[in-house]
Amino acid sequence: AQSVTQLDSQVPVFEEAPVELRCNYSSSVSVYLFWYVQYPNQGLQLLLKYLSGSTLVKSINGFEAEFNKSQTSFHLRKPSVHISDTAEYFCAVSLSSGSARQLTFGSGTQLTVLP
Amino acid sequence: KAGVTQTPRYLIKTRGQQVTLSCSPISGHRSVSWYQQTPGQGLQFLFEYFSETQRNKGNFPGRFSGRQFSNSRSEMNVSTLELGDSALYLCASSLLDRGVDGYTFGSGTRLTVV
Repeated sequence: AQSVTQLDSQVPVFEEAPVELRCNYSSSVSVYLFWYVQYPNQGLQLLLKYLSGSTLVKSINGFEAEFNKSQTSFHLRKPSVHISDTAEYFCAVSLSSGSARQLTFGSGTQLTVLP
Repeated sequence: KAGVTQTPRYLIKTRGQQVTLSCSPISGHRSVSWYQQTPGQGLQFLFEYFSETQRNKGNFPGRFSGRQFSNSRSEMNVSTLELGDSALYLCASSLLDRGVDGYTFGSGTRLTVV
């Protein structure tokens, strides 16, 4: 079975500073990778995904993540954060084949952007 | 277009009762999944439905059940509620099979069992 580890439960960072949220996964077979963001009292919003092809994927609001197969990582980065980026971020994996395609989530990282 | 709609948003039930939660996916989406979110266990997979068929089920007791209708709307039912069932229940839908395009989540139903 696959698993996801988000090493940092809380990441405080000052506005306009860069940030990296770390995600490592474990799976014996090929996977798809996702980052979701959750604002208070809301559901999850898909931020970006890696299915295949270029290992660097980008979102429309400045986030990017790089799939590193050798290190089994999919870290999320943003060069300059805004107050509005304060939220909880979840890394998730799903198998790319087979019948069990549900999302397996990490425990989440609370990003707090300080003024 | 309308997103994933979950009703009700909030629910308070007594231990031992049963509850039914509803989910209307985005129009055209045929894949619907349910997840439970709690502070202690995080996000855990409950079920996945596609064209009215349950394709996959998570590691939850038989008190948790679900179904999908011909219009892709889905319901989940929890019988004999326990205090530990208090959680945010999230429904997600996707256009492509197996959610390869990424699931769109609803805002959830927050269930409190007292």
